[in-house]
Amino acid sequence: EDQVTQSPEALRLQEGESSSLNCSYTVSGLRGLFWYRQDPGKGPEFLFTLYSAGEEKEKERLKATLTKKESFLHITAPKPEDSATYLCAVQAGGSQGNLIFGKGTKLSVKP
Amino acid sequence: EAGVAQSPRYKIIEKRQSVAFWCNPISGHATLYWYQQILGQGPKLLIQFQNNGVVDDSQLPKDRFSAERLKGVDSTLKIQPAKLEDSAVYLCASSFLRQGEQFFGPGTRLTVL
Repeated sequence: EDQVTQSPEALRLQEGESSSLNCSYTVSGLRGLFWYRQDPGKGPEFLFTLYSAGEEKEKERLKATLTKKESFLHITAPKPEDSATYLCAVQAGGSQGNLIFGKGTKLSVKP
Repeated sequence: EAGVAQSPRYKIIEKRQSVAFWCNPISGHATLYWYQQILGQGPKLLIQFQNNGVVDDSQLPKDRFSAERLKGVDSTLKIQPAKLEDSAVYLCASSFLRQGEQFFGPGTRLTVL
């Protein structure tokens, strides 16, 4: 069964304190791994897609990496506006395109 | 470029009542998805359309949920009759390609009393 596990469930950081979020997955043939950001009361906002092990993508203070079993979202020198829930999702190779999501990591950055 | 539009944003109903949600995807996006997000969980796919045809509805509770996308553009998701456990946020997403990035609307928060 395709599955996504995110850790930690919640993370509190001080402004400027870098850290990483983890996404472990088991899937029958990975087509793509997606990272989304979700603010309270809003829909998920697309951040990155990773397709193969060793791939990395960056956007401002965020950097996503992918291995054969997990993905990391590195946050460098976070700011309070980075506070949100970060969702990881996988798309299986044999699927029609639907995403299987983890439960998310709720990030709080204090000034 | 306009994003995915959904309405209403909030809905409160009694159990056993019916409710409908509307979604208008990003222009040109052939694939449309409905997801259910229960508080503290990630979104879970309910149904996927490619143009006006259903691609995947394996996780849709068909005894009470129905969805349509008659003209291959906007879509309606209906629940009849609603149960307490249907309380959730219903998200609509669309993508240009079937396996491409999905872009989400703001969601409809449903509360069933």
